[in-house]
Amino acid sequence: SQTIHQWPATLVQPVGSPLSLECTVEGTSNPNLYWYRQAAGRGLQLLFYSVGIGQISSEVPQNLSASRPQDRQFILSSKKLLLSDSGFYLCAWSPGGSEYEQYFGPGTRLTVT
Amino acid sequence: GENVEQHPSTLSVQEGDSAVIKCTYSDSASNYFPWYKQELGKGPQLIIDIRSNVGEKKDQRIAVTLNKTAKHFSLHITETQPEDSAVYFCAGSLNQAGTALIFGKGTTLSVSS
Repeated sequence: SQTIHQWPATLVQPVGSPLSLECTVEGTSNPNLYWYRQAAGRGLQLLFYSVGIGQISSEVPQNLSASRPQDRQFILSSKKLLLSDSGFYLCAWSPGGSEYEQYFGPGTRLTVT
Repeated sequence: GENVEQHPSTLSVQEGDSAVIKCTYSDSASNYFPWYKQELGKGPQLIIDIRSNVGEKKDQRIAVTLNKTAKHFSLHITETQPEDSAVYFCAGSLNQAGTALIFGKGTTLSVSS
């Protein structure tokens, strides 16, 4: 069966520091991968999605970036964090092909101080 | 682009009662509508979904209905139990590879025993 991992689970970082969040998927090949952010008390906002290695689409302009160095690895980064970057970051995957259900990871709680 | 509205924002029911959460969408081209359950501090879990070629789908105590003409869909939970307490999100998408899910803002369901 497929499993999605995210780490770290929680992170407290000062303003201006860099960020790297990692997501990996097991048990599937060539998945579509997504990064969402969930602000407190709000729905989920898509940040990036990828349909293949090196293929990244950005939905929201911001100081975040994403990379997909391997088929089942998705990384969310920032060079300098802002207070407004605080939130719950969720990685998701979908099988691709004719199956478009998205499955979410456990999330990373980021607090920028 | 797609916009998904969800009502109510909070819903309190007694154990054993039914709960109904409603969503409307704006883009008539959307054809895939999943529902997610999110428990505190966890990632959303896909609980049921429906595609535009189906009017209703049921899975044990959970059912979803879709009215394409009116552009709204609903989640029905029967015989609610305390463990059904969570935040529920509806979403809509074009069901294409890499397409974002557009989420409603969520409904906090509380089931009291």
